[in-house]
Amino acid sequence: GAVVSQHPSRVICKSGTSVKIECRSLDFQATTMFWYRQFPKQSLMLMATSNEGSKATYEQGVEKDKFLINHASLTLSTLTVTSAHPEDSSFYICSARAEGGIPYEQYFGPGTRLTVT
Amino acid sequence: DQQVKQNSPSLSVQEGRISILNCDYTNSMFDYFLWYKKYPAEGPTFLISISSIKDKNEDGRFTVFLNKSAKHLSLHIVPSQPGDSAVYFCAASDGGSEKLVFGKGTKLTVNP
Repeated sequence: GAVVSQHPSRVICKSGTSVKIECRSLDFQATTMFWYRQFPKQSLMLMATSNEGSKATYEQGVEKDKFLINHASLTLSTLTVTSAHPEDSSFYICSARAEGGIPYEQYFGPGTRLTVT
Repeated sequence: DQQVKQNSPSLSVQEGRISILNCDYTNSMFDYFLWYKKYPAEGPTFLISISSIKDKNEDGRFTVFLNKSAKHLSLHIVPSQPGDSAVYFCAASDGGSEKLVFGKGTKLTVNP
């Protein structure tokens, strides 16, 4: 149980275009989903926290207009990287916390490798 | 300012021996600590956790030790197996937040 999927697993896009990444909780309802970014040999950096039906809370330094997050249902959150630039190339990972679950218990998706050319 | 530090980027151990991965933190408000294992191109998977009210938690081959006065925790894997080869992340959270703060990870290689 507690499986989180991400789609796509890998995407290459041209500079200036937008890319949407989906995060789904497959066998549980996730009231809260988290979006992380990981640069090579760096830690996972929390970008934003999204709660179903409400606006996402962004971490300091993360541009909310550039990284649009939508958490439309209890099983789906999307991250859209708008007007992507090469410096946005990174590994994006989502995680989900189960409804009624332990606050610290997050289940992670397999990640999405974004390359902006 | 890194609140969770894993100062060893890599560690190499012989199969059957003990692996010790270390983690230091600076935020005294952290009260829950977790270790995650991550394979390349995959998301982290939960391994073991410890609450600040404890100093040790054991689960099979994995034991986490917490030294609050030193703000230090360690993960012991014994005996180490080649399948344990992965990147191990230490993460911490404070009681008032569901956010996790991660270290940079330590790449463990267990040689047959």
